[in-house]
Parts: sequence; structure tokens; C-alpha cells
Amino acid sequence: DIVMTQSPDSLAVSLGERATINCRPSQSILSSSNNQDSLAWYQQKPGQPPKVVIYWASTRESGVPDRFSGSGSGTDFTLTISSLQAEDVAVYYCQQYYSSPLTFGGGTRVEIK
Amino acid sequence: QVQLQESGPGLVKPSQTLSLTCSVSGDSINSGGYYWTWIRQPAGKGLEWIGRIYASGITNYNPSLKSRITISIDTSRNRFSLDLSSVTAADTAVYFCSAVKEGANWFDPWGQGTLVTVSS
Repeated sequence: DIVMTQSPDSLAVSLGERATINCRPSQSILSSSNNQDSLAWYQQKPGQPPKVVIYWASTRESGVPDRFSGSGSGTDFTLTISSLQAEDVAVYYCQQYYSSPLTFGGGTRVEIK
Repeated sequence: QVQLQESGPGLVKPSQTLSLTCSVSGDSINSGGYYWTWIRQPAGKGLEWIGRIYASGITNYNPSLKSRITISIDTSRNRFSLDLSSVTAADTAVYFCSAVKEGANWFDPWGQGTLVTVSS
């Protein structure tokens, strides 16, 4: 199984400041079919299912604000919220879809400082 | 736009079988282009992929649960189901169903989730 290690477990950021979340797969998740990394990021608010915000490591889902960006390659990936808004308070998960079983990171809780 | 809704008992006794159904609307479950998955989340914890089924009936399960899982599909009723046998308190979780576009492999959309508690 590919283990997805997320850090930090939680972070508190002031409104308008940058939030950065890291995700490290235990092995490469580079798809040979399209040379893209098989990584998605999800946002989960209390009482709601997760919602995809980024896929292929850096492609923003339609409708997601452009303050959300994904970057990285190999075994080191980052989700950045460039200017934190109150509605961004949530738990964020990374997920690899390179191989079965599909696996998630442990989650990062983002709060307002 | 595909929409999903989970249904099933909210309380299951230990050692019994947990059975849930996911009803699909907005598209035919048999139209191709999607496969159908189950994911669970214990309270306050992370997400665990349970398994998936294609419209053809082909399944793929998480090895950690494989011996206890059956995922099936009912194309006539546009729904798919999860059976998890020999449950224990560790199986208490919110269970989500989700669709995945073939070739994509990220989960979108999701059902709202249903809480299943294992307790006597």
C-alpha cells in the first residue's frame, strides 16, 4: 500500500495569510500514461462529505477559488491557500490514485488564528 | 450531474452484517464512464477506501477488509450496495458512496454519508 503522510496535523493561520499543507507518498505516484502525478486534494467541512479541490497534483477543480493551488512532484506535494478566508476552515486530505488500494493522508485541520 | 444517496440501518449488532445501498440519480449507473465506490470515516478520523465496482460487476476491494466485503450493483434499480460482515465496534463510521470517472480516479461526487454504529 502507498502510505500518504500529511503534515502538519493542524495549523492556525490569520485571515489573509498563507496556509501550506504537505503530503508525502511513500513511493512515486507518477502516472506513466500521462506523466502526471496521481494526487488529489480534498476539503472537508464539518458534517459534509469531502470535496475535491485539486487533482493531478496541480489542476484546480472547476469552481474552486484560485487562492487554492497544488504543487510538487515525486514524493513531495503541497496544497497552498494563498490568502486564507473564513470559509476555508476545514480539514484537508491528500489522496493517491496511482495504485490500489487508493489511500488518503491523515488530514490537516486548518483554523483561523 | 450525478447525485448519490446512501441508505441503510444506522445501528448494527456486533458480529452481524452491515448492509448499505447507494442510490444514483442524474445518470444511468450502467451508462459507462464511471465506477462506483465506498469510503468510510470513523468519527473524528481520516478516510478509508473500502472498494469499488464497475457497471460490468467487476470489483476491487481494500485488502484490509477484503475477506468481509461484498460490493454489488443493481443496474435495474440504478444503485449499488455494500455488505460488510462480522462487524465490530471498529466498523463504526460514516459510510460514503462516491462516483469516480474512469481514467480520473479521484472521488467526485460524494453522497452525504450515513452513520453506522456497531453496538449491542
